[in-house]
Amino acid sequence: KNEVEQSPQNLTAQEGEFITINCSYSVGISALHWLQQHPGGGIVSLFMLSSGKKKHGRLIATINIQEKHSSLHITASHPRDSAVYICAVRWGNAGNMLTFGGGTRLMVKP
Amino acid sequence: DSGVTQTPKHLITATGQRVTLRCSPRSGDLSVYWYQQSLDQGLQFLIQYYNGEERAKGNILERFSAQQFPDLHSELNLSSLELGDSALYFCASSPGTATGELFFGEGSRLTVL
Repeated sequence: KNEVEQSPQNLTAQEGEFITINCSYSVGISALHWLQQHPGGGIVSLFMLSSGKKKHGRLIATINIQEKHSSLHITASHPRDSAVYICAVRWGNAGNMLTFGGGTRLMVKP
Repeated sequence: DSGVTQTPKHLITATGQRVTLRCSPRSGDLSVYWYQQSLDQGLQFLIQYYNGEERAKGNILERFSAQQFPDLHSELNLSSLELGDSALYFCASSPGTATGELFFGEGSRLTVL
């Protein structure tokens, strides 16, 4: 069964800390998405990547295809980063039929 | 603002009823995707339409159906509703069939009593 595992499930950090969220998947993929879901429920796409590394502001996403693993890093974390971060993968040529991880709930305390 | 509009934002109904959720994609996007987010199952892909045609089908129940109209808006129809159908239903759009990032709507929260 194709699976996506995220860790940790819950994470509490102090403002300013460097944060890492991990995503592992079971078989080869064509793309991996990192999504952010705020308490109000809305979902924002942060990154889509299939290799290497992408950076946007304080957010960095990396992927290691051989190890079937991706990480989302947040530098200089801020309370407004508090949200659920969700990893989703597209298997092979399954269009944009995504399989989602269970999410990591992040709380950044001031 | 993602440019994707979903209505209604909240909906409360009774078991056995039928509801329709509506999604207007971002201008220029041809693909519309529907996802269900429930407390016990997390986010799940339901169905994708591209330029009016069904493109991919995921864990969509037979009681659910969707379509995409010539103006590219899409509707998700949920019938014979059960308590377990209570969830957030998200629509997302993208320009092509399998490329680029996804743009999500704010979701429609369905409560079945």
